[in-house]
Amino acid sequence: AQSVTQPDIHITVSEGASLELRCNYSYGATPYLFWYVQSPGQGLQLLLKYFSGDTLVQGIKGFEAEFKRSQSSFNLRKPSVHWSDAAEYFCAVATNAGKSTFGDGTTLTVKP
Amino acid sequence: GAGVSQSPSNKVTEKGKDVELRCDPISGHTALYWYRQRLGQGLEFLIYFQGNSAPDKSGLPSDRFSAERTGESVSTLTIQRTQQEDSAVYLCASSWNTGELFFGEGSRLTVL
Repeated sequence: AQSVTQPDIHITVSEGASLELRCNYSYGATPYLFWYVQSPGQGLQLLLKYFSGDTLVQGIKGFEAEFKRSQSSFNLRKPSVHWSDAAEYFCAVATNAGKSTFGDGTTLTVKP
Repeated sequence: GAGVSQSPSNKVTEKGKDVELRCDPISGHTALYWYRQRLGQGLEFLIYFQGNSAPDKSGLPSDRFSAERTGESVSTLTIQRTQQEDSAVYLCASSWNTGELFFGEGSRLTVL
């Protein structure tokens, strides 16, 4: 069975600083990988996805993530964080049968 | 509509009453998921449908919880004899089997 670990429960960064949120997965085959964002009081929105090909994927709102098979990781990055990026971030892995498993999430706080 | 629709958006009920939560997925999506999100918590997987079948019911917390899907479309999550610990936001998502999930806004359940 697949699983996802987000080691950081809570991260605080200053506005304008760079950001990296960690995600490690466990799955026997090539995974489909996703990052979702949940802003306060909002539903979940897809930030970016990896299915195959280029291991560096670009998403919305200036986010990117890199798939590293050797490390079973799919870390999310942003070069310069904005106050509006404060939210809960979820990493997810899906099998080729479609079932998705989510990590426990990382809460991002942005300091002015 | 174009997105996943959930109803009711808010439900307040008394302990011991039964509740039904409805999810209308995006037309053509074969996979449908129910998750529970308690206040300040991550996503707790409940059940997953492929078509009208549920290959994975492992997340249903007790036999008070049940779900069905008909016509490879609408799904209903039923909670019998509600308890205060059932209070949460219940999220529905649908997918084309790529693992990319499209979420509804959720049904917020409060059990008094």
